[in-house]
Amino acid sequence: DAGVIQSPRHEVTEMGQEVTLRCKPISGHDYLFWYRQTMMRGLELLIYFNNNVPIDDSGMPEDRFSAKMPNASFSTLKIQPSEPRDSAVYFCASSPSGTASFFGVPSEAFFGQGTRLTVV
Amino acid sequence: DAKTTQPNSMESNEEEPVHLPCNHSTISGTDYIHWYRQLPSQGPEYVIHGLTSNVNNRMASLAIAEDRKSSTLILHRATLRDAAVYYCILRDQNNDMRFGAGTRLTVKP
Repeated sequence: DAGVIQSPRHEVTEMGQEVTLRCKPISGHDYLFWYRQTMMRGLELLIYFNNNVPIDDSGMPEDRFSAKMPNASFSTLKIQPSEPRDSAVYFCASSPSGTASFFGVPSEAFFGQGTRLTVV
Repeated sequence: DAKTTQPNSMESNEEEPVHLPCNHSTISGTDYIHWYRQLPSQGPEYVIHGLTSNVNNRMASLAIAEDRKSSTLILHRATLRDAAVYYCILRDQNNDMRFGAGTRLTVKP
């Protein structure tokens, strides 16, 4: 497997424009996470899905941000309209369900290489 | 959510062991302790995880205190490639994964 694939790797856009970030998780993984990383705030969990259903979106900063997972092999994170403060590296990660744990806690999560977003 | 506390930074000499501590005094009985690391300009990568017993894998060892309120990630022989930010995370039955500030490890040749 090629791992978690994110596109684009770099995105530069003007303030007010719509930005769509894409993620292809590892086949067979049923958890998908979106993160944002900045120097000031570190690595923040934005939202995560289980079996394509959003489980917790409490980390989504505001209504300008939305995430979808239309099927098991694709997810998008959209920012509309974008603002300079959205500039960050956005990571996607996927994880299988735990198989050896009574509580079903996933073991290893795999991260993509990230999308570096710059809003000017 | 249970929280973790780690030192902001640590230094090590190459080929010496490194002990990275993590405090999680409010851990619950169902929380798993996970460690990830992030190399420069890369996404985080999994290192190791455990529940109650000490764990070993090819990358590191995880020592968990008997009361589970702290743990230590052990790199047996640090190399320059181990320079990274190391994150200690608690994962509960809801399976979310929230990162703290981590420990920045510097390895000196």
